[in-house]
Amino acid sequence: AQTVTQSQPEMSVQEAETVTLSCTYDTSESDYYLFWYKQPPSRQMILVIRQEAYKQQNATENRFSVNFQKAAKSFSLKISDSQLGDAAMYFCAYRSARIQGAQKLVFGQGTRLTINP
Amino acid sequence: KAGVTQTPRYLIKTRGQQVTLSCSPISGHRSVSWYQQTPGQGLQFLFEYFSETQRNKGNFPGRFSGRQFSNSRSEMNVSTLELGDSALYLCASSRGRGEKLFFGSGTQLSVL
Repeated sequence: AQTVTQSQPEMSVQEAETVTLSCTYDTSESDYYLFWYKQPPSRQMILVIRQEAYKQQNATENRFSVNFQKAAKSFSLKISDSQLGDAAMYFCAYRSARIQGAQKLVFGQGTRLTINP
Repeated sequence: KAGVTQTPRYLIKTRGQQVTLSCSPISGHRSVSWYQQTPGQGLQFLFEYFSETQRNKGNFPGRFSGRQFSNSRSEMNVSTLELGDSALYLCASSRGRGEKLFFGSGTQLSVL
């Protein structure tokens, strides 16, 4: 079974600074997807960024980028120029590429990110 | 385009009762999946429905069940509620299996 581990329960950063959230995972599969989701107080899970395991290039979405190290099974999220609106719980998630596991996400325990003005 | 709608937002039940939660996916989405979120266990996959058929099921007891209707709307039911069933239940929809998931804001269930 796949597992996802986020070792930082809480992180804080000054507004406009850069912060990196860590995530490691364990799987025996070679083809999969990795995600970072954000959950603000509204409770709705919002997709921040997605990485396909077969792609060597790290995904980027505006101020958000990842450092995907497949051999090390590491998937960290870097947030540049942090904004007050970035404050939320961040979840790392894994999804198998096999069709029978299509919509089953395996989540980490989350990291609560605080932005200090 | 309306997002994923979950009703009700909040629910209070007592032990032994049963509860039904509803999820209306984004128009055109045929896949609906459900997740349970608790402080202790985190986010756990419950089940996935596609074209009215359960395609995948998480490791939950038989008290947890669901269904999907022909219009893709989904319901999940929990029978004989236990205190440990208190959780945020999140629904997510996608156009097809393996495609991007869009989440609703969840139903917060409290079991007293």
